[in-house]
Amino acid sequence: QQPVQSPQAVILREGEDAVINCSSSKALYSVHWYRQKHGEAPVFLMILLKGGEQKGHEKISASFNEKKQQSSLYLTASQLSYSGTYFCGTEDTGGFKTIFGAGTRLFVKA
Amino acid sequence: SQTIHQWPATLVQPVGSPLSLECTVEGTSNPNLYWYRQAAGRGLQLLFYSVGIGQISSEVPQNLSASRPQDRQFILSSKKLLLSDSGFYLCAGKTGGIRGPLHFGNGTRLTVT
Repeated sequence: QQPVQSPQAVILREGEDAVINCSSSKALYSVHWYRQKHGEAPVFLMILLKGGEQKGHEKISASFNEKKQQSSLYLTASQLSYSGTYFCGTEDTGGFKTIFGAGTRLFVKA
Repeated sequence: SQTIHQWPATLVQPVGSPLSLECTVEGTSNPNLYWYRQAAGRGLQLLFYSVGIGQISSEVPQNLSASRPQDRQFILSSKKLLLSDSGFYLCAGKTGGIRGPLHFGNGTRLTVT
C-alpha cells in the first residue's frame, strides 16, 4: 500500500518554512525521506524508526508517530537548494522493501 | 561506502525490442538490491527486489524480469518492450541491515518509440 503524501506541491520564498506529511494505512516500522532533483536520482535524507523519534539534518528535521502511522518532514528557513521533489518511503515489519509515496514538489524562489 | 553503478544513462529502443539493464554494486557484500521505475513526473514504483544470489521477488506483474547472477550484479530484462515501459529506471542497494537507507544509482532513462 502506497503511503499518501501531502501537499502535492509547495511554493516558498527563501527563508520560509514548510511541512510535508506522509501517512499510511498499514502499521509501519520505519519511514525514509529522500529528495530528488530534476533528472537525478533520489538522495537519502534520514530514516526514522519505530519509537516516535525525531531526527534532524541541518535545517531539515522529521518526526514519526507509529501509532498514527504518520511522519512529517520539517524544512525551516528554506534555501534555494531545497527545491526538488521529496519522497517518503515506508517499510513494514518485514523490512525488505521500501514503498514510496507519490512525492511532494517543493519550489523555493528568491 | 556503497556505490551503485548503472548503465547506460539513456537508451532509446523500438517497441518489441529486447532490453537488458545492468546494475553493479561496489564497496559492500551481500546487499539487498532493488529496481524501481519512475514514469515522467511520477513517483517511484518498486519493480523487483533481491536479498541474495538467484533470489528475486516481483512486485508488479508485467513484461519485465530480473535476475541476480552474482552477489553484486542485478539485471533487469525484457523480451519485448512496450511503449508503457518508458521511464527512468533506478537500481538501489541497501546495506547495514534491512533497516538501512537506500543508495541509488544514477539511473537509466529509457524511451520506447
